[in-house]
Amino acid sequence: GQQLNQSPQSMFIQEGEDVSMNCTSSSIFNTWLWYKQDPGEGPVLLIALYKAGELTSNGRLTAQFGITRKDSFLNISASIPSDVGIYFCAGGNYGGSQGNLIFGKGTKLSVKP
Amino acid sequence: EAGVTQSPTHLIKTRGQQATLRCSPISGHTSVYWYQQALGLGLQFLLWYDEGEERNRGNFPPRFSGRQFPNYSSELNVNALELEDSALYLCASSLVRNSGGTYNEQFFGPGTRLTVL
Repeated sequence: GQQLNQSPQSMFIQEGEDVSMNCTSSSIFNTWLWYKQDPGEGPVLLIALYKAGELTSNGRLTAQFGITRKDSFLNISASIPSDVGIYFCAGGNYGGSQGNLIFGKGTKLSVKP
Repeated sequence: EAGVTQSPTHLIKTRGQQATLRCSPISGHTSVYWYQQALGLGLQFLLWYDEGEERNRGNFPPRFSGRQFPNYSSELNVNALELEDSALYLCASSLVRNSGGTYNEQFFGPGTRLTVL
């Protein structure tokens, strides 16, 4: 099925460092979402973006909706051990007939205390 | 407010059997989505139900089917199970608004881990 290009695939960083990950697509989306999934659980919504160029923050998390509508990035500042998990980007088109989200393959984040 | 719930948590079947997975959306949400997450892969879209009707389906064979009930809960049925159907099956729900379009903030349940032996 269709997927987004999400990078990096994995990251191993020191506690306190900043993290950056991004997603690109060959298709335009009018919605970009970022989720975090912990082992054995379902993904949890972190940030939702609805406007091209929009920059949104949620605590230490900041995400941007690319101007071309084909990309998005997520930054995590001052990482802490509980940031460990798999981060997924997802693109969608609200108002359309599809309804579903297209997901990236995820970025696995490991944090060393 | 209760989140999306799914049952069972784990399900073990053998090849050729049928599996039924259940999902209850967040109260007030009318759309339910099913996704398959195979080991090491991202989430693959299976089915979208809204107001009791199937609105869209992903690139999966017809043996993957489902339905949505009047209370907006949903079940996913997988017939003639194959080994590669082993995966985490995730259900998500969202609030659909008719005035300005739909919203794609989908909220996920914990998933059902299906193992096919």
